[in-house]
Amino acid sequence: QSVLTQPPSVSGAPGQRVTISCTGSSSNIGASYDVHWYQHLPGAAPKLLIYGDSNRPSGVPDRFSGSKSGTSASLAITGLQAEDEADYYCQSYDNSLSGFVFGTGTKVTVL
Amino acid sequence: QLQLQESGPGLVKPSETLSLTCTVSGGSIISSIYYWGWIRQPPGKGLEWIGTIHYSGVTFYNPSLKSRGTISVDTSKNQFSLKLTSVTAADTAVYYCARFRGYTYGYGDFWGQGTLVTVSS
Repeated sequence: QSVLTQPPSVSGAPGQRVTISCTGSSSNIGASYDVHWYQHLPGAAPKLLIYGDSNRPSGVPDRFSGSKSGTSASLAITGLQAEDEADYYCQSYDNSLSGFVFGTGTKVTVL
Repeated sequence: QLQLQESGPGLVKPSETLSLTCTVSGGSIISSIYYWGWIRQPPGKGLEWIGTIHYSGVTFYNPSLKSRGTISVDTSKNQFSLKLTSVTAADTAVYYCARFRGYTYGYGDFWGQGTLVTVSS
């Protein structure tokens, strides 16, 4: 029942740049609610990567960056590394649901 | 360092009630800026927000639960809990508890490791 749409998968060679899109609507991203991004490794807790559209928590490498425009947001990973292979989720708030919404998730594969 | 730990039965029978508790350590659950939430991930699927509670008792729920969920807080034990009634196989998932900084602009900055709950007879 995700209202934020992400591509199912993206891939890239080590060192390359990949981007993950997160498409919402006028009741969430388009209503100027913040977008946040998480990295999720199998069997582990989701890890906050980006908060408030483009801010990195302490300890997150600057290879990760976020942006937002209109009803969409993007996560970019530059200098792709093997350890970046994981699932990535965007998250925002939706005023029609009065609650949090997560994206459909994107699996990043390092070739 | 803040830590969250989920606990509860790993197996629940269909039509019964799923009950989980999240114990918070390394910090107090009493804070005006933080909200405490439950999120789940069914096998092979993405993350789904279940609901959120503030220490004051204010709660928010995902409408898709159709009023089956109840989240409560016990500030004396630094815990918050989830009850989900009338469960079906569709409620089988890894359940996570997390701390959210803020609500409408909130994000989960600390998460538990998750606990698998299977609904089966």
